[in-house]
Amino acid sequence: ILNVEQSPQSLHVQEGDSTNFTCSFPSSNFYALHWYRWETAKSPEALFVMTLNGDEKKKGRISATLNTKEGYSYLYIKGSQPEDSATYLCAFRADSWGKLQFGAGTQVVVTP
Amino acid sequence: DTGVSQDPRHKITKRGQNVTFRCDPISEHNRLYWYRQTLGQGPEFLTYFQNEAQLEKSRLLSDRFSAERPKGSFSTLEIQRTEQGDSAMYLCASSLAEYRDFEETQYFGPGTRLLVL
Repeated sequence: ILNVEQSPQSLHVQEGDSTNFTCSFPSSNFYALHWYRWETAKSPEALFVMTLNGDEKKKGRISATLNTKEGYSYLYIKGSQPEDSATYLCAFRADSWGKLQFGAGTQVVVTP
Repeated sequence: DTGVSQDPRHKITKRGQNVTFRCDPISEHNRLYWYRQTLGQGPEFLTYFQNEAQLEKSRLLSDRFSAERPKGSFSTLEIQRTEQGDSAMYLCASSLAEYRDFEETQYFGPGTRLLVL
């Protein structure tokens, strides 16, 4: 994999349900994997910076895991709420200076 | 701390005109990045500054694009002779980091949406 790929492109979730989606990235020259949440008309919000294989991070109902050997990360949302509706971006860093390579995002819509 | 701010939030211009965007980073952040997002794509790296020094420019940044960060504070991105293909969201991000800082977090502004007619 040369690019950062996210799947699915979009998903609809009922309020209260849990969901997860994937980010695939190159498994070589790994420095870090970032997750952002981007709500319409707002700034992208940093969720996690993950640097070590096997990392698991959690923020409220959102958590993420990292597998650098196979080049993927999962983001989980537990008990989805309407305020979780946003586009979730992952970004791969292969550069010692911080430049990020983004995926196209997963758009999540949570319906009441 | 009010976060990263960008001005203007929206800009409509005619093909061939010049436009300039401004980014004010979080106070004392030493790094500043510019990204561009087109429809259906994730943000793409354009250029970045370490203090006032521009250290890297993407091949996406043609000769019509120029960025500055005088005194290592705010930054401007200018596009000369705009083309319809320049229509995009231009995002700025800042961070406080040193070389090989694995935990560096980039904080983004709300972006400037450019439409070239």
